[in-house]
Amino acid sequence: LAKTTQPISMDSYEGQEVNITCSHNNIATNDYITWYQQFPSQGPRFIIQGYKTKVTNEVASLFIPADRKSSTLSLPRVSLSDTAVYYCLVDPDTGRRALTFGSGTRLQVQP
Amino acid sequence: EAQVTQNPRYLITVTGKKLTVTCSQNMNHEYMSWYRQDPGLGLRQIYYSMNVEVTDKGDVPEGYKVSRKEKRNFPLILESPSPNQTSLYFCASYSGGLVNEQFFGPGTRLTVL
Repeated sequence: LAKTTQPISMDSYEGQEVNITCSHNNIATNDYITWYQQFPSQGPRFIIQGYKTKVTNEVASLFIPADRKSSTLSLPRVSLSDTAVYYCLVDPDTGRRALTFGSGTRLQVQP
Repeated sequence: EAQVTQNPRYLITVTGKKLTVTCSQNMNHEYMSWYRQDPGLGLRQIYYSMNVEVTDKGDVPEGYKVSRKEKRNFPLILESPSPNQTSLYFCASYSGGLVNEQFFGPGTRLTVL
């Protein structure tokens, strides 16, 4: 299973764009890159998933370069409610679909 | 509202006293899973089920049992809980499509004394 590395914590201010980068050097051909968000004492919540290039939804964008060894989650104009832990996962497209969460990036948004 | 529910949300028990944590989803998802979350170890999969009567071990199945008699329910059973099973437990479900969007329950915080 490909290991991911992401910053332990980040700080930002309301209204700013936040980019969280994740490295996954050993990603396999069939692996997808998935990001989840978790608030304290709540279950993780799916944000976005991609395979290559760029994916955008109403919440975030995900940028994946051609070599797929890293990815960047972009949160436009964050608010205080975006304060959470963000997990980058490499998701093998297999039947078990187990999600392996690392330590994540703790994002703190200040007013 | 589409959701995954778990009960109880909090439980303090003693070593050896059998307990069951219930999980139910209303999205008609075929796939359900149990995870435990521990500080420094992230979420680890305990058991999963790809359909009714189909269950299999995840990464940390020791000390746990599950059953899947109906599509909506996936209870987690601890026959003889031990202190090392003190953890935060999450149930999750997903439709089985290409996008691995798993829906998590609110969590059950279990303390085994």
